[in-house]
Amino acid sequence: QKEVEQNSGPLSVPEGAIASLNCTYSDRGSQSFFWYRQYSGKSPELIMSIYSNGDKEDGRFTAQLNKASQYVSLLIRDSQPSDSATYLCAGRVTGGGNKLTFGTGTQLKVEL
Amino acid sequence: KAGVTQTPRYLIKTRGQQVTLSCSPISGHRSVSWYQQTPGQGLQFLFEYFSETQRNKGNFPGRFSGRQFSNSRSEMNVSTLELGDSALYLCASSLEASGWDYEQYFGPGTRLTVT
Repeated sequence: QKEVEQNSGPLSVPEGAIASLNCTYSDRGSQSFFWYRQYSGKSPELIMSIYSNGDKEDGRFTAQLNKASQYVSLLIRDSQPSDSATYLCAGRVTGGGNKLTFGTGTQLKVEL
Repeated sequence: KAGVTQTPRYLIKTRGQQVTLSCSPISGHRSVSWYQQTPGQGLQFLFEYFSETQRNKGNFPGRFSGRQFSNSRSEMNVSTLELGDSALYLCASSLEASGWDYEQYFGPGTRLTVT
């Protein structure tokens, strides 16, 4: 079992819709979670970080964390074609320094 | 602030050779982590340096090594290159090594091709 799991997709949503990306993790020591966006041929770009149970909103993005169920999600409202990319979920274990464990990523396609 | 910079951006090497990649973190950031990204394995952690000391190490063979200088710049070295070392090597910097609320920012990466 991978430590961080994501559905590889592709996830296709129409423009203007809500895209929901999900991630589960196995290490209960993981306390911090991050969502990165990666365009083809580019490096990962940090979108959101979340450390506490509940929701965290930043513009069109909302990250959700449920430590009891060991899942993290990212909602993208009013999806735009420019949101088409691979979204990487990463977890960091407390006391593990800055080592991030990444999922394999979910490819999102926003269609006109 | 300038972002994380990595040099070179592209590199082609032959099996058996060695290579050194360089990373300059965001100004003020003291932690530098290295990752390898391949289509088959995804993003995998190589090692992390903070204050010139290796703080964490991933599951990679000893051919992969790194170091950090007093100005926080970091280098990673891969000796005796194998075809499977072809990958995108990413450097990420963070303000602090430990502490649960510090975020990592990635550089543009170095694309290494081993022939």
